[in-house]
Amino acid sequence: EAGVAQSPRYKIIEKRQSVAFWCNPISGHATLYWYQQILGQGPKLLIQFQNNGVVDDSQLPKDRFSAERLKGVDSTLKIQPAKLEDSAVYLCASSIQGFGPQHFGDGTRLSIL
Amino acid sequence: SQQGEEDPQALSIQEGENATMNCSYKTSINNLQWYRQNSGRGLVHLILIRSNEREKHSGRLRVTLDTSKKSSSLLITASRAADTASYFCATVLTGGGNKLTFGTGTQLKVEL
Repeated sequence: EAGVAQSPRYKIIEKRQSVAFWCNPISGHATLYWYQQILGQGPKLLIQFQNNGVVDDSQLPKDRFSAERLKGVDSTLKIQPAKLEDSAVYLCASSIQGFGPQHFGDGTRLSIL
Repeated sequence: SQQGEEDPQALSIQEGENATMNCSYKTSINNLQWYRQNSGRGLVHLILIRSNEREKHSGRLRVTLDTSKKSSSLLITASRAADTASYFCATVLTGGGNKLTFGTGTQLKVEL
């Protein structure tokens, strides 16, 4: 079984630029999650999708972050414009339904200059 | 906000020894999960314990849950160098769907 795929693995941008991350979950997994992990901390949920609908985006900074999962499969997370405090690893995870273990990708490490 | 707090923040042991990590949380939970994260990689699910369970085993892992104290522990027996990683507890709150709230993690180093 292929795991959760994320790209790119690394991204360096300057503040105020925009950036996008891509995630392809495990085949058949209906629920997809995006997390932000700041160095030295545990991951923080940004947004949860069930198929192509948003279940929870309460911690997503909506003035600069957006995410979509148009066909209920892969997903993109965008930041525009980026701030220095957005430097972090962005992790995507998926689960079969909205319960049980989550399977994580290796993340995208974002550095803001 | 962080729901869980792991203790200790860092732990260094010799190969073959046991490692114990503790997690405390604040509110009523549906289940508690433990994940491992190797440097530069994503998280790997280790074990899930439900609120009505007190202990679970998986291979060299033993997890306990005390809901009256709002705490959990992860024991890794006969540790190996390959167990070197960060370990996180994550809680799913009662009525919280499958939203995981992670703690701050314990960095475990197993030396040869």
